[in-house]
Amino acid sequence: GAVVSQHPSRVICKSGTSVKIECRSLDFQATTMFWYRQFPKQSLMLMATSNEGSKATYEQGVEKDKFLINHASLTLSTLTVTSAHPEDSSFYICSARDRRGADTQYFGPGTRLTVL
Amino acid sequence: QKEVEQDPGPLSVPEGAIVSLNCTYSNSAFQYFMWYRQYSRKGPELLMYTYSSGNKEDGRFTAQVDKSSKYISLFIRDSQPSDSATYLCAMSTGGGNKLTFGTGTQLKVEL
Repeated sequence: GAVVSQHPSRVICKSGTSVKIECRSLDFQATTMFWYRQFPKQSLMLMATSNEGSKATYEQGVEKDKFLINHASLTLSTLTVTSAHPEDSSFYICSARDRRGADTQYFGPGTRLTVL
Repeated sequence: QKEVEQDPGPLSVPEGAIVSLNCTYSNSAFQYFMWYRQYSRKGPELLMYTYSSGNKEDGRFTAQVDKSSKYISLFIRDSQPSDSATYLCAMSTGGGNKLTFGTGTQLKVEL
């Protein structure tokens, strides 16, 4: 149980294009999903917290117009990197918290974004 | 000072050794403590989850929380090469609040 999927697993795009990443909880409902960014050999950096049916809460320094988050259902959240630039190249990971309780987060496998 | 401190390693041990991984923290409001394992280029995998102080055992893994010392540990018995990964401690104050992560300790178990 507690499986989270992400799609795509890897994406390469040209500078200036937008990229959408999907995060799905497969066997549980998630009232809250989180989006993280991770640079090589570094820990996870929380970008935003996404609650189903409401606007996402962004961490300080994260541009909400750059990183659009939609949490339309209890099993799906999307992150869109708009007008991507090479500095946006990173490993993006989502996590989901089970609505039935506990404070654990279950992570997706991550999406490797490379912007040329 | 970071809220959560974790030695980044790398930590190299022989196969079969007992591994001790640790984190210290400064926020006394943390109540939920987790250990995640992350293989290279993969998402973190939840290993252990503990509420408040005490011990929890699951197979070869034992998690310990000492809230009075603000210190948590993960022990791995009979370590295997497949345990080679980065281990992240994480904690939260509860109520669905965000997790605060350590920087991760890179572990290598050698044959």
